[in-house]
Amino acid sequence: GNSVTQMEGPVTLSEEAFLTINCTYTATGYPSLFWYVQYPGEGLQLLLKATKADDKGSNKGFEATYRKETTSFHLEKGSVQVSDSAVYFCALSDQDTGRRALTFGSGTRLQVQP
Amino acid sequence: DVKVTQSSRYLVKRTGEKVFLECVQDMDHENMFWYRQDPGLGLRLIYFSYDVKMKEKGDIPEGYSVSREKKERFSLILESASTNQTSMYLCASTYTGVNYGYTFGSGTRLTVV
Repeated sequence: GNSVTQMEGPVTLSEEAFLTINCTYTATGYPSLFWYVQYPGEGLQLLLKATKADDKGSNKGFEATYRKETTSFHLEKGSVQVSDSAVYFCALSDQDTGRRALTFGSGTRLQVQP
Repeated sequence: DVKVTQSSRYLVKRTGEKVFLECVQDMDHENMFWYRQDPGLGLRLIYFSYDVKMKEKGDIPEGYSVSREKKERFSLILESASTNQTSMYLCASTYTGVNYGYTFGSGTRLTVV
């Protein structure tokens, strides 16, 4: 079946540091890939997505590239801010399996210190 | 602004009670989902619905049922609440097609005592 593996957190960084959160996946078909963010006390929000190999999704300074050869979709940001502190979830959807629902990773908590 | 609204942010229920969690979306989405979120486990799919009166089991349906009588509303039912159902419950909706992202509600934190 499909699965998503994320690096364990928490990830603690100082403001303006470079961020990488690793995400790898297993899928039987050709999935679309997503990053979601959850701020404290809120539901999840779509951060960015990529629908085919070599696509780069980007939003709010975050970016991730769909790497089919390494089955990865790592999230990066060049300079984090305190306001980026949140939990980040990697997810995939796999139309080939007929499964309409997303499969999520376990989430990675990011803490940015001033 | 488009919305998915969950009826309660916090609920406390007793073991054995029947519990209803309500979710309403105003975007005319065909698909609606219920997940539970637990530390270290991420989001796990309970049930989803791709049309009115249609439902499919997710990965952890045991102890839960759902109802979708109208397109905009998707209810999660805990038939007899147990302490291991204490969790954050998240509702989401989307259009048909895997490239659409979900819109999530703010979640309901349920505590079963």
